[in-house]
Amino acid sequence: GAVVSQHPSWVICKSGTSVKIECRSLDFQATTMFWYRQFPKQSLMLMATSNEGSKATYEQGVEKDKFLINHASLTLSTLTVTSAHPEDSSFYICSASDRTYTEAFFGQGTRLTVV
Amino acid sequence: AQSVTQPDIHITVSEGASLELRCNYSYGATPYLFWYVQSPGQGLQLLLKYFSGDTLVQGIKGFEAEFKRSQSSFNLRKPSVHWSDAAEYFCAVGAGIQGAQKLVFGQGTRLTINP
Repeated sequence: GAVVSQHPSWVICKSGTSVKIECRSLDFQATTMFWYRQFPKQSLMLMATSNEGSKATYEQGVEKDKFLINHASLTLSTLTVTSAHPEDSSFYICSASDRTYTEAFFGQGTRLTVV
Repeated sequence: AQSVTQPDIHITVSEGASLELRCNYSYGATPYLFWYVQSPGQGLQLLLKYFSGDTLVQGIKGFEAEFKRSQSSFNLRKPSVHWSDAAEYFCAVGAGIQGAQKLVFGQGTRLTINP
């Protein structure tokens, strides 16, 4: 199967700072990437869909100015949490795919803790 | 819009006993269905998926699931659980324009194994 890698696996940042999370497709060109968020003991909720070279599509209720998504190449999408606050602490996970795959493949996730 | 319901938030079974985790979905057409497992602090691991064809699907780690269109269900089963099966299990449905790539997850079922 296709491999998707996220970096970092975990990060701790101070309140008010910005944090960037990377999602890379290692052995295929990801035309589409998805970003999900998982609060402790809860399910995964889709935050946004990004297509290479175009603006991300955000789900209802997700602040696009707070969660900046850049999908500048066919192997890399980044999620930047701007001016992070403790309530942004969560597990962020990406998935990626292209038109040749029926499904998307998940990265290992990033645990963000804002202190 | 599609949705997924996992009626059981928490299930406890004894090691060696059989297991069935319930999943019901809502979607007008035949959906793409998935079961994922998540260990604490870890990412998602795909157990099995249903796209079409045989409604009984075999997955990894001895798991299987059966798609029942009449009941809108995709229940996960294992004949004999092992202590290492203790984890969170998520059922997911992919549908719409992006098919199996963009997923809606159920609330998850936490599985505890008694020795």
